[in-house]
Amino acid sequence: EAQVTQNPRYLITVTGKKLTVTCSQNMNHEYMSWYRQDPGLGLRQIYYSMNVEVTDKGDVPEGYKVSRKEKRNFPLILESPSPNQTSLYFCASSLWAGTSGSNNEQFFGPGTRLTVL
Amino acid sequence: GENVEQHPSTLSVQEGDSAVIKCTYSDSASNYFPWYKQELGKGPQLIIDIRSNVGEKKDQRIAVTLNKTAKHFSLHITETQPEDSAVYFCAPRRGSTLGRLYFGRGTQLTVWP
Repeated sequence: EAQVTQNPRYLITVTGKKLTVTCSQNMNHEYMSWYRQDPGLGLRQIYYSMNVEVTDKGDVPEGYKVSRKEKRNFPLILESPSPNQTSLYFCASSLWAGTSGSNNEQFFGPGTRLTVL
Repeated sequence: GENVEQHPSTLSVQEGDSAVIKCTYSDSASNYFPWYKQELGKGPQLIIDIRSNVGEKKDQRIAVTLNKTAKHFSLHITETQPEDSAVYFCAPRRGSTLGRLYFGRGTQLTVWP
């Protein structure tokens, strides 16, 4: 089944304890992205990756890191989490990020609810 | 970057009525206009999209209309059903914006039986 998977789905942690949220897609998509969703603010992009070894900042990258060492995986790293990073996180992928073709639908994972105490 | 606004933020309708959600954007070069639906506890899912060379697109009970001059596009849902209850997001973009994506803040639609 074509899908985007995220782990863990729920995480409660404490300030300063490094954590990684994994994201994996099995659709051979080039483009992957991370978002956070907060009440009243919608979806805000954290980082995105156009292809392996190519990553760039989105709107709210502060406090986050990413890596894209292989096509299928795009982990989100919080080196020193703080309470303001408590949020619902979504990973998404699409075949590519251009709009001249037809395969630009983004496929979202199920989300990771993170609480930082 | 793109400034995206969505209205209304919440919308309640009776089953069978129509619902309309509007999205305005700032980048006149935007040429792709999708709408996503997010059901409770799930990630957003694309439900309909339109490109700038088309003014309207329909898919059964949902439709999207585009006004490029005024820089807005709208989602129309007719004959609403309780399963249409969800949060809806717009995310206009242009192909030359390599990877940066902007979503509206979302509209919570509630359809009452």
